[in-house]
Amino acid sequence: GAVVSQHPSRVICKSGTSVKIECRSLDFQATTMFWYRQFPKKSLMLMATSNEGSKATYEQGVEKDKFLINHASLTLSTLTVTSAHPEDSSFYICSATGTSYGYTFGSGTRLTVV
Amino acid sequence: QQQVKQSPQSLIVQKGGISIINCAYENTAFDYFPWYQQFPGKGPALLIAIRPDVSEKKEGRFTISFNKSAKQFSLHIMDSQPGDSATYFCAAGGSNYKLTFGKGTLLTVNP
Repeated sequence: GAVVSQHPSRVICKSGTSVKIECRSLDFQATTMFWYRQFPKKSLMLMATSNEGSKATYEQGVEKDKFLINHASLTLSTLTVTSAHPEDSSFYICSATGTSYGYTFGSGTRLTVV
Repeated sequence: QQQVKQSPQSLIVQKGGISIINCAYENTAFDYFPWYQQFPGKGPALLIAIRPDVSEKKEGRFTISFNKSAKQFSLHIMDSQPGDSATYFCAAGGSNYKLTFGKGTLLTVNP
C-alpha cells in the first residue's frame, strides 16, 4: 500500500529558531500534499494544500510567512516553522494523495518549542 | 456547508460488543467518505472508505453504512476488541481533494 514517511517524529527547539519537517511519499507520486495541525484531543485542522511545483494554498488564518511549505518534487514536501514560539507547539501531520483517490497520512511530528 | 458532525464524542464498549459512530455532512458535493483510526502520538490510518454510489461497505469487522438522502454515514465495529481502543475520525472529501474531518470519537473497549 501507499506509504508516507514523515520526519522527524519528535523535535524540541528553542524559541526563535526554525524547524523543518519532511514528508515523503515512498512508493507513489504525490501530486497533492496536505499539512495538518492537531491539538491534544482535537481533530485535524488543515493548514495548507500544496501541489508539486506550485505555491501552497493556505487556509484562512494560517500565517504563510510562519509556516513555509515547499513541494519541490512529486515525492517530497516540507513544512518549515519559522521563528518558532511556544504557541507553535503542536502535532503536525502531512498527508499525500496521488492519481488514485485516497489519502495516506504520515506518522506525525510532535513539535515542542521551549 | 463544509462541516462534518460526528457523534458521540466518546464511547465505551465491552469486549465483543458493537461500536457505532455516526457522522452527518451538509455539502452534497462530497463524494468520498473515509474513516480513520488514530492512536496517541501517531498519524491517522485509513480504516475503510465509501463512495455515495453504494449504501454499505464491509471490510472484516468494520462496516460503513451510508444514507445519501439523509446525508449520514456510520461506522460499525463488530466484535470490538481492546486493541480497537483509539480515536476515530470520519471525513468527507470532494473533487478538490480536501478532506473535512469530524471532531473525533474516543473509543474505549473494556476487556
